[in-house]
Amino acid sequence: DAGVTQSPTHLIKTRGQHVTLRCSPISGHKSVSWYQQVLGQGPQFIFQYYEKEERGRGNFPDRFSARQFPNYSSELNVNALLLGDSALYLCASSLRGDRGPEGYTFGSGTRLTVV
Amino acid sequence: GENVEQHPSTLSVQEGDSAVIKCTYSDSASNYFPWYKQELGKRPQLIIDIRSNVGEKKDQRIAVTLNKTAKHFSLHITETQPEDSAVYFCAASMSGGSYIPTFGRGTSLIVHP
Repeated sequence: DAGVTQSPTHLIKTRGQHVTLRCSPISGHKSVSWYQQVLGQGPQFIFQYYEKEERGRGNFPDRFSARQFPNYSSELNVNALLLGDSALYLCASSLRGDRGPEGYTFGSGTRLTVV
Repeated sequence: GENVEQHPSTLSVQEGDSAVIKCTYSDSASNYFPWYKQELGKRPQLIIDIRSNVGEKKDQRIAVTLNKTAKHFSLHITETQPEDSAVYFCAASMSGGSYIPTFGRGTSLIVHP
């Protein structure tokens, strides 16, 4: 059984550009969460989706947006990239969005570098 | 919101020694405390967790203790091995409903052979 898959694994973008990161949850999982992990810090919560609806939003600017598709995969979009957006972006999936930590699994992340 | 502080940021031990990582949290409503291990270039993986209705939990060489009154919890690793070298994160959250853990800044554990 495949785990949480994220693409691409690495990405280099220029300041001001836009980026789209993708996440496919574990088969059967319907909830996806996104985190930003800056070097030397713990993951910071960005968004949580369950059944295609936003269930939570962290303290990030409106340049960050996300959506979940009918097949439960998800995209994270970041507009007008800043140097400070350079980070590892992690996706986590779980069976449901309302069962606490049950089955919560992280993907390996997308390393975004903004130059 | 919840705030989790984690210490130390770096911990260097000799193989066979014990390692202790400490965390404090601010929200008394938090009742679930997981610990994640993240090896270089890999995803965070849950290694042990504890809920607020118990004070200690053990799994082989790893144990976690919780003091709800003081709002702190700790990870204990005994008989450390080089493969224990990684970054360890503590987190705090509610155990029901939407699971959105608040993470500490991480502890880089280095076990010297």
